[in-house]
Amino acid sequence: GAVVSQHPSWVICKSGTSVKIECRSLDFQATTMFWYRQFPKQSLMLMATSNEGSKATYEQGVEKDKFLINHASLTLSTLTVTSAHPEDSSFYICSAGTFISTDTQYFGPGTRLTVL
Amino acid sequence: AQKITQTQPGMFVQEKEAVTLDCTYDTSDPSYGLFWYKQPSSGEMIFLIYQGSYDQQNATEGRYSLNFQKARKSANLVISASQLGDSAMYFCAMRGNGQNFVFGPGTRLSVLP
Repeated sequence: GAVVSQHPSWVICKSGTSVKIECRSLDFQATTMFWYRQFPKQSLMLMATSNEGSKATYEQGVEKDKFLINHASLTLSTLTVTSAHPEDSSFYICSAGTFISTDTQYFGPGTRLTVL
Repeated sequence: AQKITQTQPGMFVQEKEAVTLDCTYDTSDPSYGLFWYKQPSSGEMIFLIYQGSYDQQNATEGRYSLNFQKARKSANLVISASQLGDSAMYFCAMRGNGQNFVFGPGTRLSVLP
C-alpha cells in the first residue's frame, strides 16, 4: 500500500508558540490531503481538506487562522498550530488520497502534540 | 448527512476464535464506499478492507471479511482466527461520491490468550 509519513511523531511545546507538522506521501502523488484530530479514546474528527495549489476547506468549528494548512505540492502538506494552548494538545493525523469514493485514504503515523 | 454507528464500545474474543464487529450506516448517496481501519496503541491507522455499495460479493482480505447487508445498511467486520496482535481499536468509515470520510466511534477489541 501507499506510504504516508508525518513529522514530527511527537512534540512538546510551550503555550503561545507555533508548531508545524509535515505530512508527506512518499510513493504516490496525493491530489488531496486530510487533517484529522483525535482526542483520547475518541474517533477521528476531520479538521480540514487540502488540495494541492488551492486553499484548504475547513470543517465547521475549526479556526482556520489557528490551524494553518499549506499544500504546496502533490506530496507535501503542512499543518501549523499557531499560538498553541494546552487545549490544542491532541493526536493529529494526516491522510492522503483522491476524491474518488472507491479509493481509500492512506494515513500517516500521527503526531502527538503536548502544549505545556 | 452521513452517519456511522458502532454499538460495541468494547469486545473480547478468545485467541483463535472468530469475532464480528458491528457497523451500521446511514446515507442518502446512491453510491458509497465502506471501509474498516485498525488503530493499534501506536496510533497509526491501518486500512483493512473496502466494500463498494454496488459490489455484489462481500469483500475479503485474508482473515478479514466484510458482511455487507445493503438493505439493512450494515457492514460488519468479521475477523477469523483471532491473534493477540489483533487487539486494537477498529473504526468503520464511509465515503460518498467526492465526499470526506465519516468515521464511527470505534470498537476496542481485546484478544485473550
